Amino acid sequence: GDSVTQMEGPVTLSEEAFLTINCTYTATGYPSLFWYVQYPGEGLQLLLKATKADDKGSNKGFEATYRKETTSFHLEKGSVQVSDSAVYFCALSDPRAGNNRKLIWGLGTSLAVNP
Amino acid sequence: NAGVTQTPKFQVLKTGQSMTLQCAQDMNHEYMSWYRQDPGMGLRLIHYSVGAGITDQGEVPNGYNVSRSTTEDFPLRLLSAAPSQTSVYFCASSYRGPRGAGEKLFFGSGTQLSVL
Repeated sequence: GDSVTQMEGPVTLSEEAFLTINCTYTATGYPSLFWYVQYPGEGLQLLLKATKADDKGSNKGFEATYRKETTSFHLEKGSVQVSDSAVYFCALSDPRAGNNRKLIWGLGTSLAVNP
Repeated sequence: NAGVTQTPKFQVLKTGQSMTLQCAQDMNHEYMSWYRQDPGMGLRLIHYSVGAGITDQGEVPNGYNVSRSTTEDFPLRLLSAAPSQTSVYFCASSYRGPRGAGEKLFFGSGTQLSVL
């Protein structure tokens, strides 16, 4: 079945460092891909998404490119801030599922940014 | 801008007790769902609904009931709480978009439940 694999955390960086969080997926068909972020004590919120191969999602300085050839959707940011400290989830959905919106989730990667 | 509202934020139960976690959204979303979040397990779907009067099971439905009598509300009932149900519970909703599955999910802030 479909699955999402994220790099294990925690990831600890200094402010202004470059961030990469790896995400690879297994899917039959052409899924949409998402990154969600969960700040401490809050629910998840959509950070960015891509719906087809070679699409680049971007938001708040974060970017991820849908790479079908490597089945990857790695999250990157050029210069992280302390406020980026959160847990990041990669997810996919299968458009063939119709309106059921059954997202397949990665386990999450915790990021801590030190000043 | 209420969005998705969950109550309570924290709850402690004894084994065997029942309770209802409340979820309400004011965005007129057709789709609503319940997840549980456990360390090392990520998010797991408990139940979901694609509209009033329609519910279906997710991947971990045992021990939980849901109903959807209105578009706004989607309560989750624990019938007889067990320590294995200690978790953080999230309600999420979304609208139906042209691509169907995979549209933006809006999450509540969660309910932290401990079952002793």
